[in-house]
Amino acid sequence: EPEVTQTPSHQVTQMGQEVILRCVPISNHLYFYWYRQILGQKVEFLVSFYNNEISEKSEIFDDQFSVERPDGSNFTLKIRSTKLEDSAMYFCASRGPGLGEQFFGPGTRLTVL
Amino acid sequence: QQQVKQSPQSLIVQKGGIPIINCAYENTAFDYFPWYQQFPGKGPALLIAIRPDVSEKKEGRFTISFNKSAKQFSLHIMDSQPGDSATYFCAASMRTGANNLFFGTGTRLTVIP
Repeated sequence: EPEVTQTPSHQVTQMGQEVILRCVPISNHLYFYWYRQILGQKVEFLVSFYNNEISEKSEIFDDQFSVERPDGSNFTLKIRSTKLEDSAMYFCASRGPGLGEQFFGPGTRLTVL
Repeated sequence: QQQVKQSPQSLIVQKGGIPIINCAYENTAFDYFPWYQQFPGKGPALLIAIRPDVSEKKEGRFTISFNKSAKQFSLHIMDSQPGDSATYFCAASMRTGANNLFFGTGTRLTVIP
């Protein structure tokens, strides 16, 4: 069964450093998303991406964040200068055409020290 | 207005019991209401979803009840099993736009053998 994959599973970084979280969405999907979940809290929408551009973004997704689909398979989230409060689980999701289900990856746990 | 309120925060039931988790929303533009199940260390996985043109949907032991006028929906788990112990999130989204999901705060369910 096709699945969304994410790497790394855990990333530890120092405050102020740049991190790139990687995702491989399901191959025939067209819509891509990043969500985050701070420990013990709800899953929050960050950004959606379609046709090689951002469709929507939340207030959380400020200038420190960027997304890219550098090739036909990867979808990345970059945080330019990490803050302590960026520590969270980051989930990538993808969706096929139409109004189908969003499939979530297993997440990347980001720890900012 | 994008908030989805979920209760209870945690729930403990005996095996065979019927846990009920409730959600409420404000934005009448929401027209897709999924429930996600999340096990520790994993990404959310779609359990069941409903659109507002029906009042109930059943898939196996899981049932969604939907009250459009009250802007509320709930998840019932029939004959609950210890393997159902997980965190359950309700969510909502709109057909227009990128269909990003707005999640509730989650309910940690424990089913005691």
